[in-house]
Amino acid sequence: QLQLQESGPGLVKPSETLSLTCTVSGGSISRSSYYWGWIRQPPGKGLEWIGSIYYSGSTYYNPSLKSRVTISVDTSKNQFSLKLSSVTAADTAVYYCASQKGSTWIHLWPFDYWGQGTLVTVSS
Amino acid sequence: QSALTQPASVSGSPGQSITISCTGTSSDVGGYNYVSWYQQHPGKAPKLMIYDVSNRPSGVSNRFSGSKSGNTASLTISGLQAEDEADYYCSSYASSSTLVFGGGTKLTVL
Repeated sequence: QLQLQESGPGLVKPSETLSLTCTVSGGSISRSSYYWGWIRQPPGKGLEWIGSIYYSGSTYYNPSLKSRVTISVDTSKNQFSLKLSSVTAADTAVYYCASQKGSTWIHLWPFDYWGQGTLVTVSS
Repeated sequence: QSALTQPASVSGSPGQSITISCTGTSSDVGGYNYVSWYQQHPGKAPKLMIYDVSNRPSGVSNRFSGSKSGNTASLTISGLQAEDEADYYCSSYASSSTLVFGGGTKLTVL
């Protein structure tokens, strides 16, 4: 069974870059039929998809965040990462990483395993 | 890319059935059979309950079922139990290779 764990700073200053890493255990990040995604949830609010990546580096991003988001993968460490630039207080949220398993053409498959989430606060 | 529309809250008594709707457009819910539903208890990560409109992952109770008609998807929970009290989110694949979530519905078991 896959396990995912987010890690990174819990406090980021406005205008700086938020950086998080998701470590995958229980299976290889390089397996076919898996994408790996980031989702966030502001306190007391709903879920928002940020973006997803395949082990080859192929990515999909939420158009509303695309200009500020970079998702990358390190297969040697079984990790994938999120960078969100020029953050503001509106980026304060619990950030989740999750696996997406599937086989259909859409690639953006359901999120079947989730990390526990990590709260990132944007404040000076 | 707008969020899918869900009722803010629904409620039901133990043993009853409830349905949560998720309304989108022909560019997301109505255009593809790729709607998922997630359950989230307070302070916990979401859990996948339904995928591809009506499929249940292994281990999910058959009290949970999904359907779709036009631009609206629905999650039905039958035989409500206290443990079903949680927030529920729908999600859909959308055109231009994106994913969109609903605003969430708080289920209260009376």
